[in-house]
Amino acid sequence: DAGITQSPRHKVTETGTPVTLRCHQTENHRYMYWYRQDPGHGLRLIHYSYGVKDTDKGEVSDGYSVSRSKTEDFLLTLESATSSQTSVYFCAISESAGFSYEQYFGPGTRLTVT
Amino acid sequence: DQQVKQNSPSLSVQEGRISILNCDYTNSMFDYFLWYKKYPAEGPTFLISISSIKDKNEDGRFTVFLNKSAKHLSLHIVPSQPGDSAVYFCAASGGSNYKLTFGKGTLLTVNP
Repeated sequence: DAGITQSPRHKVTETGTPVTLRCHQTENHRYMYWYRQDPGHGLRLIHYSYGVKDTDKGEVSDGYSVSRSKTEDFLLTLESATSSQTSVYFCAISESAGFSYEQYFGPGTRLTVT
Repeated sequence: DQQVKQNSPSLSVQEGRISILNCDYTNSMFDYFLWYKKYPAEGPTFLISISSIKDKNEDGRFTVFLNKSAKHLSLHIVPSQPGDSAVYFCAASGGSNYKLTFGKGTLLTVNP
């Protein structure tokens, strides 16, 4: 299994509070991704990173920001959490050496915004 | 606009039989396709992939078929086992970036 951890694994927070989720990898992979999974929507990309300090938006980036100051850590921040951000959040990594697009996922963080 | 479609939300098969999961895509730029399996309360795990230069890729009980003209791929599991019960996601990538576009998933239930 790829060395990916996510913290916290579960979090309950109130509307309007800031929340930061952390993804940590030990694989030294270049690419890191944040997804959310919701019933009826599958996995949707929030933001991704293609290197330290290099990030870009995914399809559902509104209300989220990210930072990557080290290769191994990718942070997802909800500046002011809303109930629509209640979801399961997955981090993924990939090396993308050659013609390969496999991504490897962390165990997920279940976030509830009340 | 959904670029990767899994039109069957669920599928139920008997143990030992073949499971066939389908996926359609609309973006002609997609050139690499993947299947992931997901158990409850776990992250998705990579299962098998295929590039557009092939029409079939096999790994043990799992085979993925790609029909580029129809923009359709399928995952065959033979024989199906109860441990295969999970949600299966189809994903696609293309162009110069390394992003994946996922379908909504199909819940496979293999009955003993």
